[in-house]
Amino acid sequence: DTAVSQTPKYLVTQMGNDKSIKCEQNLGHDTMYWYKQDSKKFLKIMFSYNNKELIINETVPNRFSPKSPDKAHLNLHINSLELGDSAVYFCATDNSGRNTGELFFGEGSRLTVL
Amino acid sequence: GNSVTQMEGPVTLSEEAFLTINCTYTATGYPSLFWYVQYPGEGLQLLLKATKADDKGSNKGFEATYRKETTSFHLEKGSVQVSDSAVYFCALSVGAGNNRKLIWGLGTSLAVNP
Repeated sequence: DTAVSQTPKYLVTQMGNDKSIKCEQNLGHDTMYWYKQDSKKFLKIMFSYNNKELIINETVPNRFSPKSPDKAHLNLHINSLELGDSAVYFCATDNSGRNTGELFFGEGSRLTVL
Repeated sequence: GNSVTQMEGPVTLSEEAFLTINCTYTATGYPSLFWYVQYPGEGLQLLLKATKADDKGSNKGFEATYRKETTSFHLEKGSVQVSDSAVYFCALSVGAGNNRKLIWGLGTSLAVNP
């Protein structure tokens, strides 16, 4: 069983479309994140959720809307896709109660906007 | 403020060479320090960590020592292998519980040639 799984792994779409990426974790962690990694490997946090509550929202355009239906899932919906949204999006989790600072990452979802 | 600076890559080495990837940080308080590794096509995974001054983290032949006096956490390996080719990220953890945040370096790409 994959601890943090993301779907789809690859997504190619046209500018202006709306798309979603899903993340599921079976680690029982209470905190989930979305990160964006650009072509130069720069990693930028976008959002974090703790027990379905939004905790971190890092200057991300309103076109990006995360949704956490339950503690094990965090989805990312992107409206009106732009060329600059092309990147690899990573879901990650940790357990804030243990306070180790260790994140567990999914394998990433590569989004290409044409 | 809190920040992480790591040496720019790419770093190219021959198999069995000695590896050092420098990482320095600025932080308020007493952060935990981490090295994460990202193999091609995968998500990041924790390589090693240190939670207080003079701690040494080690894993898979890699080591890093938390040096408070020089605010550094340099990654070293005595003899690299082709399978070590990856991107390495230095990070520090600030805050606690829901307010905990990882501050990331820009990543250093390592290529090991046979």
